[in-house]
Amino acid sequence: AQSVAQPEDQVNVAEGNPLTVKCTYSVSGNPYLFWYVQYPNRGLQFLLKYITGDNLVKGSYGFEAEFNKSQTSFHLKKPSALVSDSALYFCAVRDPRYSSASKIIFGSGTRLSIRP
Amino acid sequence: EAGVVQSPRYKIIEKKQPVAFWCNPISGHNTLYWYLQNLGQGPELLIRYENEEAVDDSQLPKDRFSAERLKGVDSTLKIQPAELGDSAVYLCASSSDRRSTDTQYFGPGTRLTVL
Repeated sequence: AQSVAQPEDQVNVAEGNPLTVKCTYSVSGNPYLFWYVQYPNRGLQFLLKYITGDNLVKGSYGFEAEFNKSQTSFHLKKPSALVSDSALYFCAVRDPRYSSASKIIFGSGTRLSIRP
Repeated sequence: EAGVVQSPRYKIIEKKQPVAFWCNPISGHNTLYWYLQNLGQGPELLIRYENEEAVDDSQLPKDRFSAERLKGVDSTLKIQPAELGDSAVYLCASSSDRRSTDTQYFGPGTRLTVL
């Protein structure tokens, strides 16, 4: 069965510093991986996804994520954090082998807090 | 392009009362999803529609929850009767088709409080 884990409930970073939000997954085969962000009282907003190809995926708002198959990880990164990046971040995985019935599984979320 | 629209944004009801949530997906999106999001957790799929057909409702508690998407566009999720444990955010999402690579776009959600 597919699963995804976000080992950190909260990440605190000073503005201007690089940030990393961690995600690991478990899928038999090659996964489809997603990152979403959720601001207070808002729905989830798509940031980026990995399907195939280049392991480094670039997304919205200057975020990027690196797919590492050997470590089964898909960590979200940004070179220089902004206070406005403070939000709840969700990693998600889908097993592409069962396209007709597969569903996306979300992690429990990581709260990112950027201090001025 | 308009995003996924949900209403109401907030709903407060007493236990045992019925409640309904409405979702209008992005125009042209054939696949529609209803998710449940408890506080501090990730969304969990309740039901997925391909056009009018519910193709995955295995996580929908069918004794009290029902959903419909009669014309393959708008959808309604209903709870009858509501229980205290149903307090959560109900998210609707849509995608252009059911392929695994397709991105899901989420609405703002309906926050339900059951007293």
